[in-house]
Amino acid sequence: DAKTTQPPSMDCAEGRAANLPCNHSTISGNEYVYWYRQIHSQGPQYIIHGLKNNETNEMASLIITEDRKSSTLILPHATLRDTAVYYCIAQKTSYDKVIFGPGTSLSVIP
Amino acid sequence: NAGVTQTPKFRVLKTGQSMTLLCAQDMNHEYMYWYRQDPGMGLRLIHYSVGEGTTAKGEVPDGYNVSRLKKQNFLLGLESAAPSQTSVYFCASSSGTGWFEQYFGPGTRLTVT
Repeated sequence: DAKTTQPPSMDCAEGRAANLPCNHSTISGNEYVYWYRQIHSQGPQYIIHGLKNNETNEMASLIITEDRKSSTLILPHATLRDTAVYYCIAQKTSYDKVIFGPGTSLSVIP
Repeated sequence: NAGVTQTPKFRVLKTGQSMTLLCAQDMNHEYMYWYRQDPGMGLRLIHYSVGEGTTAKGEVPDGYNVSRLKKQNFLLGLESAAPSQTSVYFCASSSGTGWFEQYFGPGTRLTVT
């Protein structure tokens, strides 16, 4: 699986959009980009995934660059409850070991 | 539909003791996983299973054993606990078909003294 790199921490003002970047420059053609988040001491929660098209669901939007070497998770109107660690993972369509890195710790500030 | 459950939620062991952590899922998922998470770090995969009767090593398998005798259950065993195994353990499952959204349990906090 491709390695991903994320900034260790970010702040965002409540009500503003939170844009979380992820680099995956060695991603292969059959690897999806997944995003999870982990609110303090809870189990991680799936947010969204995509291959090459931009995706949107009720929680977030995922923007993947055309060359697929990076992506951005967008929380359109961040709330205090969005304070969490966000993990970006590259994973093949068929099962392979999934590696969670240290992620980005997002703090939403009132 | 309980999703993924883990037993116990908390446990304190002395060095050298053994124990088994139980993970159960009621979603008929093929794939199950055990992770550990140390303070300030991401999740690290210990072992995983791609179906009943199968197991495979993950990123940090040493000191742990697993079994998947029933599709819905995935057991993680520590034969001789060490302080380095103090951690929070998360179990997860996924359907194994198409894409792989993982559903996580609430975690087991283990302290080895």
